[in-house]
Amino acid sequence: GQNIDQPTEMTATEGAIVQINCTYQTSGFNGLFWYQQHAGEAPTFLSYNVLDGLEEKGRFSSFLSRSKGYSYLLLKELQMKDSASYLCAALDSNYQLIWGAGTKLIIKP
Amino acid sequence: GAVVSQHPSWVICKSGTSVKIECRSLDFQATTMFWYRQFPKQSLMLMATSNEGSKATYEQGVEKDKFLINHASLTLSTLTVTSAHPEDSSFYICSARPPGTSGDGIPYEQYFGPGTRLTVT
Repeated sequence: GQNIDQPTEMTATEGAIVQINCTYQTSGFNGLFWYQQHAGEAPTFLSYNVLDGLEEKGRFSSFLSRSKGYSYLLLKELQMKDSASYLCAALDSNYQLIWGAGTKLIIKP
Repeated sequence: GAVVSQHPSWVICKSGTSVKIECRSLDFQATTMFWYRQFPKQSLMLMATSNEGSKATYEQGVEKDKFLINHASLTLSTLTVTSAHPEDSSFYICSARPPGTSGDGIPYEQYFGPGTRLTVT
């Protein structure tokens, strides 16, 4: 079956760095998405990786290892507004998105 | 670009009535639209996938006679919750996907609407 695993909840301190991991098992693979979702709002796109390696975009970076079925989202210089859920989703061979359950990130002052 | 709207943003209805939610892609044509449901503190749950001009494909466990989906044009899809009950109260989110690669070069990127909060009393 197809499966996405990510931690349920993480806590970090304002100004620090946090890494949110995601492992996936899908029928085929056409890339991995990270979305941010604030409570009561729709998800917003953060990143897309299809090749191995690190993609940096400002304070956020996303890493992919296709051989390991593994990705992480790295958030630097954390701000209180980064408190949100972070959703990992893999695009399978049918170009369907397989969603993880999301990681709730709590930022403390 | 790539804006998706949903209407209404919130709705309260009485048990037994039907509610229609609209999802529109404002500046692109969406060959495929998706409907999700999200309960508090839970992740997105895909309900159905709709392609313009054809019947929607429902995920296992989603009642197609209860959740009617109509993808009438390349910019509009509607979800009608029929005979709503309190357990249908949830956050409903649609997304739209243009054909091929997005303007950012990302294949099959989905653009999300702002969501509709349904409360059935």
